[in-house]
Amino acid sequence: NAGVTQTPKFQVLKTGQSMTLQCAQDMNHNSMYWYRQDPGMGLRLIYYSASEGTTDKGEVPNGYNVSRLNKREFSLRLESAAPSQTSVYFCASSERFSYNEQFFGPGTRLTVL
Amino acid sequence: DQQVKQNSPSLSVQEGRISILNCDYTNSMFDYFLWYKKYPAEGPTFLISISSIKDKNEDGRFTVFLNKSAKHLSLHIVPSQPGDSAVYFCAASTLNNAGGTSYGKLTFGQGTILTVHP
Repeated sequence: NAGVTQTPKFQVLKTGQSMTLQCAQDMNHNSMYWYRQDPGMGLRLIYYSASEGTTDKGEVPNGYNVSRLNKREFSLRLESAAPSQTSVYFCASSERFSYNEQFFGPGTRLTVL
Repeated sequence: DQQVKQNSPSLSVQEGRISILNCDYTNSMFDYFLWYKKYPAEGPTFLISISSIKDKNEDGRFTVFLNKSAKHLSLHIVPSQPGDSAVYFCAASTLNNAGGTSYGKLTFGQGTILTVHP
């Protein structure tokens, strides 16, 4: 049981490049989330998927898109990376939306030059 | 507008003593509160939670206290151990689906770095 896995662990991009962060969970959870963590800011919700087939914006969605590929997988895409998107990105899942114990992946450290 | 605040960026405690981490919130719709622990290069892990209908919840060495009138919660760790050294995040949510934009989503504080010295 791997829990929540994220790939890649590290990534360096140049301004304007695009990339997709991958997330998968093997706990049969219905809800999945993407957060970013910045120094002094805690974790901020980017997008979430309350259930398979639905996605919604969180607190800081600008510059990002998401896809809930199936029940297991939830990807985050940066279409044109900017230095302000340098951050650590965490994916999380929970049994169902509003059931608040969320399980987090190990994170992706992204640097945009 | 930071709805959940942890005003102490860091806390240093001697092994065996009590650690008290504090958290304040402003949104009166929050009715569920959690603490997460995070080690470097890992994701946060759930530690303990409390519903707004309670004022205290215990799990082993960890106790969370909630003061709704003051919009304040705290996490007590007794006794503190070096392995408790980590970043602690408090988070809040609304489980009532009439709770507006905070329904079902976690709002995190900035985190407090706890260091427990042997």
